[in-house]
Amino acid sequence: AQKVTQAQTEISVVEKEDVTLDCVYETRDTTYYLFWYKQPPSGELVFLIRRNSFDEQNEISGRYSWNFQKSTSSFNFTITASQVVDSAVYFCALSLYNQGGKLIFGQGTELSVKP
Amino acid sequence: EAQVTQNPRYLITVTGKKLTVTCSQNMNHEYMSWYRQDPGLGLRQIYYSMNVEVTDKGDVPEGYKVSRKEKRNFPLILESPSPNQTSLYFCASRSAGVTYNEQFFGPGTRLTVL
Repeated sequence: AQKVTQAQTEISVVEKEDVTLDCVYETRDTTYYLFWYKQPPSGELVFLIRRNSFDEQNEISGRYSWNFQKSTSSFNFTITASQVVDSAVYFCALSLYNQGGKLIFGQGTELSVKP
Repeated sequence: EAQVTQNPRYLITVTGKKLTVTCSQNMNHEYMSWYRQDPGLGLRQIYYSMNVEVTDKGDVPEGYKVSRKEKRNFPLILESPSPNQTSLYFCASRSAGVTYNEQFFGPGTRLTVL
């Protein structure tokens, strides 16, 4: 069975701190995709990144970076120098190649960045 | 503008009163799906559709129906809503290209069943 676990339910940091959101996934498939979505207080889902299982290169986009490690089945997300606008719920999700794009979401991590 | 729209955005109803949440996309996507979001559970897929007249159950289909008569529309039907269907609902779509494509989500529909 496929599963995504985000063990951190809530994280609170002070502005400018770095913060890492953990994501651990389970699948026996060799071809899969991993995603991160942001859900700000307004409620919409904002796509942040997609990674396929054959690409273990880490990625950096501005203050955001992602660390994909197949050996530990983890796809962690780090925000550097956090800002109040980063306050949101963040979801990690898994999709399998042969399941038509179905997304399996983690429980979400609520990040609160205080000024 | 490429988008997925949902209506209504907010709905309060009573137990047993049939309702429909509409979903429409303007990107000619083949694949559409519905998810519900509940605290501590993340989002879970209710139903999905690979194309017109092709639908299938997701992980939590009980109490819901869908139809896909046109490519752009994928309504979610609650024939007899119950309080445990109080949730935030998202519609999503993506194209069925050779390479994997991003899913586009609608803005969400917050449903309360009293």
